Amino acid sequence: QTVVTQEPSFSVSPGGTVTLTCGLSSGSVSTSHYPSWFQQTPSHAPRTLISRTNRRSSGVPARFSGSIVGNRAALTITGVQAADESDYYCVLYMSSGIWVFGGGTRLAVV
Amino acid sequence: QVQLVESGGGLVKPGGSLRLSCAASGFTFSDYYMTWVRQAPGKGLEWISYISSSGSTEFYADSVKGRFTISRDNAKNSLSLQMNSLRAEDTAVYYCARNDCSGLSCYTVDYWGQGTLVTVSS
Repeated sequence: QTVVTQEPSFSVSPGGTVTLTCGLSSGSVSTSHYPSWFQQTPSHAPRTLISRTNRRSSGVPARFSGSIVGNRAALTITGVQAADESDYYCVLYMSSGIWVFGGGTRLAVV
Repeated sequence: QVQLVESGGGLVKPGGSLRLSCAASGFTFSDYYMTWVRQAPGKGLEWISYISSSGSTEFYADSVKGRFTISRDNAKNSLSLQMNSLRAEDTAVYYCARNDCSGLSCYTVDYWGQGTLVTVSS
């Protein structure tokens, strides 16, 4: 069974840049997995940030960007703000037709 | 604007059934795939099912296959999730979500509802 992996936690200073990644337990992530990224704060519904690797959703600031870095999908946040402190999830499309979420990364802004 | 409003959550005993609904507005419902995602208390997101725009194709995660059924009524702009043989591990907030579609291709979700809580407990 394929597992989607994410860093459990990350810390970044205000104004800094952070790159969160999303990988596969077996194999490499490519654009064919249509990687997407979501932001969630406690007790709120998720918000879609990035779809299809690098397409920003409506209203998402340009400081959020998506890419493929090596064999992983990546979400880069530049000019990090305190409001960016959230859980971040990626999801990948599998050839079997299903989507699989990663376990999420808790981002602390300290 | 796109709105998705879930309903039907509540407390149910193990082995019981529950039907969730999602009322959609603000877009042409029949043009979009729709998805259910759940989140157990304190845990991450879990994709569980999606349905094509016409309703002719459905996909399920292994964890719910054979127990849950997704359906839609395009005339009523409504999405449903019939949940049978419920287990304690099905306890979660269930989110209705719209898939990101472009032309004939659909991808992951772009809009989310606020969720409805399902608690399976005796």
